[in-house]
Amino acid sequence: DADVTQTPRNRITKTGKRIMLECSQTKGHDRMYWYRQDPGLGLRLIYYSFDVKDINKGEISDGYSVSRQAQAKFSLSLESAIPNQTALYFCATSDQDRETDNEQFFGPGTRLTVL
Amino acid sequence: GQNIDQPTEMTATEGAIVQINCTYQTSGFNGLFWYQQHAGEAPTFLSYNVLDGLEEKGRFSSFLSRSKGYSYLLLKELQMKDSASYLCAVRGGSYIPTFGRGTSLIVHP
Repeated sequence: DADVTQTPRNRITKTGKRIMLECSQTKGHDRMYWYRQDPGLGLRLIYYSFDVKDINKGEISDGYSVSRQAQAKFSLSLESAIPNQTALYFCATSDQDRETDNEQFFGPGTRLTVL
Repeated sequence: GQNIDQPTEMTATEGAIVQINCTYQTSGFNGLFWYQQHAGEAPTFLSYNVLDGLEEKGRFSSFLSRSKGYSYLLLKELQMKDSASYLCAVRGGSYIPTFGRGTSLIVHP
């Protein structure tokens, strides 16, 4: 089984709809992240969480919200989706020890299309 | 803030060597990562540098110069499966990685 899973894998929705993307991990990591990836723009950080109930804004948090109710789950919501939120969304996790090479482990991605 | 720059696209021939450069300007520095990402897939970790010098892992090596704000990823004995995007990510003072826009590497037979 995959260590970091995302649901759904693909979603097509309409402008104004509320959408929730789910991320679950079995790695036991405290830190979780949400990124979006657009062609030519690389990975941009939306929100991150260092622990349950800890929420921090990233580079592009406007229009998004998150919830971290459990260590293993981190959900991303689009309260009112708009077309420029069409992108590939990745969840990632990493360990908490700052002193080591704690690379991020990424989920398979959710391809979201907003019409 | 952080600024990370890497070439948009590179091409190389199967069996050759290619070097992908990454330059950065950050507020604080706590390591530099390289990831590989095949089209439509998740990024996967390749290497990590926090001290100056070269780290070698099989066909892949990564170099860091903190004073110059510079890193490169060296891929030897290129294979077709190495065609992918290579992402440079810098962990700054906040310990949150910031990614460059990625370099798309195309390997030709």
